[in-house]
Amino acid sequence: GESVGLHLPTLSVQEGDNSIINCAYSNSASDYFIWYKQESGKGPQFIIDIRSNMDKRQGQRVTVLLNKTVKHLSLQIAATQPGDSAVYFCAESVQDTDKLIFGTGTRLQVFP
Amino acid sequence: NAGVTQTPKFQVLKTGQSMTLQCAQDMNHEYMSWYRQDPGMGLRLIHYSVGAGITDQGEVPNGYNVSRSTTEDFPLRLLSAAPSQTSVYFCASSSWDRDYGYTFGSGTRLTVV
Repeated sequence: GESVGLHLPTLSVQEGDNSIINCAYSNSASDYFIWYKQESGKGPQFIIDIRSNMDKRQGQRVTVLLNKTVKHLSLQIAATQPGDSAVYFCAESVQDTDKLIFGTGTRLQVFP
Repeated sequence: NAGVTQTPKFQVLKTGQSMTLQCAQDMNHEYMSWYRQDPGMGLRLIHYSVGAGITDQGEVPNGYNVSRSTTEDFPLRLLSAAPSQTSVYFCASSSWDRDYGYTFGSGTRLTVV
């Protein structure tokens, strides 16, 4: 995926609200998708994944939705907390290529 | 388990110098890969490997070499460092079924002057 340079899209939410982070992926052959959280100075941390045979998958406070028709992925975070503040990346993978390609990140800011 | 270990954590090189970034994983993962992340940007795939003895190019392979002689280790070599290679480098690994995604190391911050 192409980057947006030095200025990542930013989503600002109030503590306790729900957050929705969106991602458009590029390859219609991608069959596995992952959401990562990256805090400042750290490596990406796995949040949740979904395979292309599913439309929705839920974890603890997080839900990933996959719309293959429009190649769109979303991450929903329930009851957003200050500790959720980070940059979130979606990533796609095509099994035959074994490559994981990252999309543009979104910065989530949680304010009290 | 230590997970994915990267060394060094920080490195400063002069233009034209060469060096090797080390990556080791103790999870017996088949897949390993290297990414670079420039300030305020996403991660771009440099090289990856699906098993010992097998490597392939990613999105931005120029100026980098890799080898995979063992399952555990996947070093990244900078042949002749350039300022454009100033970045944070992340190594990642995954099992063949990719359950729980790819595990990332803590990164190597490289500055080329």
